[in-house]
Amino acid sequence: GQSLEQPSEVTAVEGAIVQINCTYQTSGFYGLSWYQQHDGGAPTFLSYNALDGLEETGRFSSFLSRSDSYGYLLLQELQMKDSASYFCAVRGGSSASKIIFGSGTRLSIRP
Amino acid sequence: KAGVTQTPRYLIKTRGQQVTLSCSPISGHRSVSWYQQTPGQGLQFLFEYFSETQRNKGNFPGRFSGRQFSNSRSEMNVSTLELGDSALYLCASSLGADNTGELFFGEGSRLTVL
Repeated sequence: GQSLEQPSEVTAVEGAIVQINCTYQTSGFYGLSWYQQHDGGAPTFLSYNALDGLEETGRFSSFLSRSDSYGYLLLQELQMKDSASYFCAVRGGSSASKIIFGSGTRLSIRP
Repeated sequence: KAGVTQTPRYLIKTRGQQVTLSCSPISGHRSVSWYQQTPGQGLQFLFEYFSETQRNKGNFPGRFSGRQFSNSRSEMNVSTLELGDSALYLCASSLGADNTGELFFGEGSRLTVL
């Protein structure tokens, strides 16, 4: 089967940097994604890593190490609007089209 | 271009009833996935359809079923509702080319079972 682990809650200060880790177990691996979901809203796509290394998109970066079955999302220059839940998701298992999500990390930003 | 549309947005049912939820994907998207979201449980994968065929299925009982039509619109059905089925049901669409992890989600259908 597939499983993902990520911290349930993280608190950070406005303007700071925060890293949200994700470890996964899957029999077949095609890529790791990150999604953001504000309260009452739909999840929105942030990034996707299929190969090892760092992908940067503005204030957000995502890292993947396939050998360690590990990835992280890095958020820089935190803003109050970044307060949301963040989900890692793995594409893999028995099918390349199946995407399984972690339980999510609730990020709270303090002024 | 219009996003993913889910109907109804909210509904209340009683135990034992059945419910049908609808999802219209982004134009041109051929893959539709369904997820159940409950507090603290993340998004639990229900099933994924591509070109009217179910490609993947999650670990849910047979009371949960779905289908996809030739225009890529999808429906999911839950029969013999239980209290534990109360959740936000999210539909997501993608091109279905399997070369990216990007899903486009609808706002969801919030089901309450009394």
